[in-house]
Amino acid sequence: GENVEQHPSTLSVQEGDSAVIKCTYSDSASNYFPWYKQELGKRPQLIIDIRSNVGEKKDQRIAVTLNKTAKHFSLHITETQPEDSAVYFCAALLYADGLTFGKGTHLIIQP
Amino acid sequence: NAGVTQTPKFRVLKTGQSMTLLCAQDMNHEYMYWYRQDPGMGLRLIHYSVGEGTTAKGEVPDGYNVSRLKKQNFLLGLESAAPSQTSVYFCASSYGPYYEQYFGPGTRLTVT
Repeated sequence: GENVEQHPSTLSVQEGDSAVIKCTYSDSASNYFPWYKQELGKRPQLIIDIRSNVGEKKDQRIAVTLNKTAKHFSLHITETQPEDSAVYFCAALLYADGLTFGKGTHLIIQP
Repeated sequence: NAGVTQTPKFRVLKTGQSMTLLCAQDMNHEYMYWYRQDPGMGLRLIHYSVGEGTTAKGEVPDGYNVSRLKKQNFLLGLESAAPSQTSVYFCASSYGPYYEQYFGPGTRLTVT
């Protein structure tokens, strides 16, 4: 099966700075990579996703990059705001089976 | 639209007891999933279904059974609960594997 590693487990940044979360996957056949955000006590929600035929995707302040050769993908959040504080999960999809999630990154936005 | 709902929200079981968690969606999604979330472990897939009458094993299926008799419902059963099954359980649904998964509010289960 697939294995997804996510780093760091905790990330603290000043409000207004950028945040980067990195994930690696083990199987080169994985072809879909979503990112989910989970606020405290809430359900996970999709914030952005990327397919293996695309190298980068942006949506306002968030972007995802994918390096298929190195088997890693990253989430970039610019101009961070207090409402960005949450746990972020990356995931990878192998052969249309269910998603394999990373263990999560707790992002803390310092005022 | 209610989206994805889960019943119950909280439950406490004694070791060896059984229970069923119900997930319902009103978005006409084909795919449905059951995950468990433990501190520091992320979301781990228990079982999933690609359509009415189908089920498949995920990453951590042992100790659980599922059924998808109706397209809108996905049931997760614990036949003989163990303390290791103490967790938050999330159900999700999607149009397909490459589409957004919509999660339910979760069920917090404690097994003593």
